[in-house]
Amino acid sequence: QKEVEQDPGPLSVPEGAIVSLNCTYSNSAFQYFMWYRQYSRKGPELLMYTYSSGNKEDGRFTAQVDKSSKYISLFIRDSQPSDSATYLCAMSPDTGRRALTFGSGTRLQVQP
Amino acid sequence: GAGVSQSPSNKVTEKGKDVELRCDPISGHTALYWYRQSLGQGLEFLIYFQGNSAPDKSGLPSDRFSAERTGGSVSTLTIQRTQQEDSAVYLCASSESYSGGRTDTQYFGPGTRLTVL
Repeated sequence: QKEVEQDPGPLSVPEGAIVSLNCTYSNSAFQYFMWYRQYSRKGPELLMYTYSSGNKEDGRFTAQVDKSSKYISLFIRDSQPSDSATYLCAMSPDTGRRALTFGSGTRLQVQP
Repeated sequence: GAGVSQSPSNKVTEKGKDVELRCDPISGHTALYWYRQSLGQGLEFLIYFQGNSAPDKSGLPSDRFSAERTGGSVSTLTIQRTQQEDSAVYLCASSESYSGGRTDTQYFGPGTRLTVL
């Protein structure tokens, strides 16, 4: 079983919809949680960064971390066609090896 | 300033040949990471460098893979005797530090797409 599980999708929504993307993980040592967006044939770009549990909002994006359930979410409000991309969750522990452990990514398509 | 750059952007090689992939991190970033992204897969950690410390090679899939970082800046990932299963996008990332917190946010380059025929 992978340390980080993420539904690969694809997820297709109409423009303006609220999108919910999720990851579950098994390693309780993970403390840093990130969401990256990756357009086709591009490198991942950081969207959201959260330390430990709680919510974080940045414009149309909200990241939630529930460490008790080992579950993280990314919500996108008022989705736009330009949001069409693959969304990768990533996480790392507080100590030791800091290399990120990624989910496999969810492909999102926002239909105009 | 400039982001992470990688070269070449695409590389096609024949099975059994050696390849070298280059990464130029963001200026001043002390930590550098290599990841591999296979078709439909998430990113798989390969190796990281932090300052002058010995690199963490724990993610390298076989002894055909090696990497070096010269002068604390540019890094080269070398794959010897390439196999078809090495076909993937190789991504490099750098971060300001490795001490925890916001400063170790990893910024990725565009990747090198390697195809082994």
